[in-house]
Amino acid sequence: AQSVAQPEDQVNVAEGNPLTVKCTYSVSGNPYLFWYVQYPNRGLQFLLKYITGDNLVKGSYGFEAEFNKSQTSFHLKKPSALVSDSALYFCAVSSRLGGGYNKLIFGAGTRLAVHP
Amino acid sequence: ETGVTQTPRHLVMGMTNKKSLKCEQHLGHNAMYWYKQSAKKPLELMFVYSLEERVENNSVPSRFSPECPNSSHLFLHLHTLQPEDSALYLCASSPTGTGYEKLFFGSGTQLSVL
Repeated sequence: AQSVAQPEDQVNVAEGNPLTVKCTYSVSGNPYLFWYVQYPNRGLQFLLKYITGDNLVKGSYGFEAEFNKSQTSFHLKKPSALVSDSALYFCAVSSRLGGGYNKLIFGAGTRLAVHP
Repeated sequence: ETGVTQTPRHLVMGMTNKKSLKCEQHLGHNAMYWYKQSAKKPLELMFVYSLEERVENNSVPSRFSPECPNSSHLFLHLHTLQPEDSALYLCASSPTGTGYEKLFFGSGTQLSVL
C-alpha cells in the first residue's frame, strides 16, 4: 500500500536560515509525490509535485523539493525561511483507484515555526 | 481564494441532530472529494465523486452520507454523529480525478459534536 511518513511533528527555524521538512514514502511502482501547505483557518494549498524528470522540483513561494529514489525521500526545502512560512506542511503520494482514477494519501503533517 | 467554497465554516451539533455540509466549486472541475482532518493524524479520504458518480467510499460509517447533485456541488449529510467525529472537514476538487492532478481545497468546516 502507498504511504508517506513525516517523521517530525514540528520544525523550528530562525528567519533567514535554510529550512528542511522531511518526507519519506513507500510505494509500489513509480512514486508521484506532492507537497501542500495549510495556513491557519484555511484549506490546503498546492506547493509542488514530482512526477518524473529532474530530481529537484521548484514550487510556489520559493520552496523546492528533492526527490531521492535510493533513500525514498522527498524533502521540502527553502534556502531562506520567512516568518510568513510558518504553517502546517503535508506530504502526499498519489494512489490508484479503480476506473483510472487517483487519490492522494497524505502524511500527518509537520508544523513549521519560523522565529524572527 | 481557491475557487472552492465550503459552508458553514463552523458547526456545533448534538449527537441526535441532522445537519449538512455544503461545498461548491466554480472551477469547471469534474471530480470532488471529502477529506476529514483530525489533529496530528493524516488527512483521511472519505469520498470521491467524478461526474456525479461515487468512485470511492473509504469505509466511512453510514452516519455520513454524501450527495453530489452536479459536478459543481457536493454535500455531506450528517446524522447521529459521535463526539469522535469532531474534526475539520475539507472539500476539494480537481479537473478530472485522473492523472496526477493537484487538488484545490476549500477552507473547511470545523465540526464539533457535543
